[in-house]
Amino acid sequence: KAGVTQTPRYLIKTRGQQVTLSCSPISGHRSVSWYQQTPGQGLQFLFEYFSETQRNKGNFPGRFSGRQFSNSRSEMNVSTLELGDSALYLCASSGGQGYTEAFFGQGTRLTVV
Amino acid sequence: QKEVEQNSGPLSVPEGAIASLNCTYSDRVSQSFFWYRQYSGKSPELIMSIYSNGDKEDGRFTAQLNKASQYVSLLIRDSQPSDSATYLCAVLRGNQGGKLIFGQGTELSVKP
Repeated sequence: KAGVTQTPRYLIKTRGQQVTLSCSPISGHRSVSWYQQTPGQGLQFLFEYFSETQRNKGNFPGRFSGRQFSNSRSEMNVSTLELGDSALYLCASSGGQGYTEAFFGQGTRLTVV
Repeated sequence: QKEVEQNSGPLSVPEGAIASLNCTYSDRVSQSFFWYRQYSGKSPELIMSIYSNGDKEDGRFTAQLNKASQYVSLLIRDSQPSDSATYLCAVLRGNQGGKLIFGQGTELSVKP
């Protein structure tokens, strides 16, 4: 059974640009959550999607958005990039109906210059 | 007060010893608790989940939960150098959905 797949693995962007990250969950999983990991703040929850609806949201500015498609694949978008957005972005997949264990993808390392 | 707190370490133990990792949480309604292991440069890997008071054992790992004290711990028996990693405690916020709140992580070093 394939795990959680995130693309791309690495990205370098310039301040002011926007970026889209993709996450394909484990087959059959309907919940996808996104997290930002930085050395200073640790792992912070961005948002969660279940059946194409945002079910939970963290405390990030509106520049961070996401969506989920009917096949459960999810995308995260960050607009008007800032230097502070440089981080490892992680996607986690879970069964979702009643909460089950969450499994992480390899992550996307975003560097904003 | 942070919602989930862990000692940042580093925690250093000799090979073969028991490593004890601790975590406290502030939200009394939390029902689901998880331990993840993260090697440097890698993503977190789920190693234990626990939902009821008491102990849960899986191989060399034992998770312990005390909801009255709002305390979760992870014991690693017969520690190996390959166990050297950062261990993250995660608590499910509320009772629905996938919002995990993570502690800062405890760095464990197992010395041969």
